[in-house]
Amino acid sequence: GESVGLHLPTLSVQEGDNSIINCAYSNSASDYFIWYKQESGKGPQFIIDIRSNMDKRQGQRVTVLLNKTVKHLSLQIAATQPGDSAVYFCAENIYTGRRALTFGSGTRLQVQP
Amino acid sequence: SAVISQKPSRDICQRGTSLTIQCQVDSQVTMMFWYRQQPGQSLTLIATANQGSEATYESGFVIDKFPISRPNLTFSTLTVSNMSPEDSSIYLCSVEDLVLRADTQYFGPGTRLTVL
Repeated sequence: GESVGLHLPTLSVQEGDNSIINCAYSNSASDYFIWYKQESGKGPQFIIDIRSNMDKRQGQRVTVLLNKTVKHLSLQIAATQPGDSAVYFCAENIYTGRRALTFGSGTRLQVQP
Repeated sequence: SAVISQKPSRDICQRGTSLTIQCQVDSQVTMMFWYRQQPGQSLTLIATANQGSEATYESGFVIDKFPISRPNLTFSTLTVSNMSPEDSSIYLCSVEDLVLRADTQYFGPGTRLTVL
């Protein structure tokens, strides 16, 4: 398939380790955040979301942390597997009379067997 | 979540021609969006496709270059007009179902366009 994110920052981890992917968002008025996973040749896949009235949310093997003070978002993946290898994007949603989803630049996660 | 399909999945086009990309959803959805993802880049919103009215375009995108249709609650098209090599990108549609999960967008598989 076609590669996505050829020039993105890369995080390389060993299989079984925990991964932490970071994202700095731009607008302090953003009230909703989403993490997406994009595998080569596919569209972005929803992983987990969090609203601004929360600072932590857990899913299956994934946790999202939100620090509004420094406008920082992180995605933690427990026991990383080869199938987790992909490009990960954070997105922020600002409602300004209409909905707008702004994507971060992305991070490539490479899982070494 | 809704199942989203796009046609074509990829195409190679000549400079100066136009291509219409279709996005089909298996259920009625409130909002549909079109994004562009240039090689090695993140996603950029082109426009919001509104059912029964004109699309709402983001800064830097115009209707003459990217006309959009939204004839019903399950279908939308994006046309890339008078193409140049700079239009080579992945074009993605997404949907938001306000009843199912407000604010969350789910994406189709994308259309990979190469302009020669």
